[in-house]
Amino acid sequence: AQSVTQLDSQVPVFEEAPVELRCNYSSSVSVYLFWYVQYPNQGLQLLLKYLSGSTLVKGINGFEAEFNKSQTSFHLRKPSVHISDTAEYFCAVVAGGTSYGKLTFGQGTILTVHP
Amino acid sequence: KAGVTQTPRYLIKTRGQQVTLSCSPISGHRSVSWYQQTPGQGLQFLFEYFSETQRNKGNFPGRFSGRQFSNSRSEMNVSTLELGDSALYLCASSSGRTVNTEAFFGQGTRLTVV
Repeated sequence: AQSVTQLDSQVPVFEEAPVELRCNYSSSVSVYLFWYVQYPNQGLQLLLKYLSGSTLVKGINGFEAEFNKSQTSFHLRKPSVHISDTAEYFCAVVAGGTSYGKLTFGQGTILTVHP
Repeated sequence: KAGVTQTPRYLIKTRGQQVTLSCSPISGHRSVSWYQQTPGQGLQFLFEYFSETQRNKGNFPGRFSGRQFSNSRSEMNVSTLELGDSALYLCASSSGRTVNTEAFFGQGTRLTVV
């Protein structure tokens, strides 16, 4: 079975500052990794995904994440945040093999960007 | 291209009743997954359907069931509602042909059990 731990439940930051949202996972098989964002009263939107290849993945809205297999981490970063980035962010994994649509999510990190 | 559509957006039901939620996936997508989101438990996988067959199932009691029709639209049913079933229910669609296909989420159905 897989599990995902998001190390910070809330991250406050000032506008234009850099931010890092931390995610660690555990799995006995290879995994695919995702970051999703959820705005209030909305569904989830995919920010970026790691499937294979380069460990640095770039996504939408200026976000990027780095896959670190030895540390089983997939931290999300943005060099300069905007007020509009205020939302809840979820790290998720899918196990290789036959898991197909079964995403395992972390508990979420609420990012609050202050002016 | 239309997104994933979930209906209704909001529901209020009484304990003991049953409820049916609907999800219309993106055109051409054959996989539909359902998730329950609550403040305490977070996002939890309920089940996934692909070409009218349940392909994966999460750890939920038998009161939670689903089905998928030949046009890929899916419904989930919860019988004998409990207060703890109050949650946002999210549906996600994908092509489903490989494990690494992107899942697109609907806006969810907010179920309140009173």
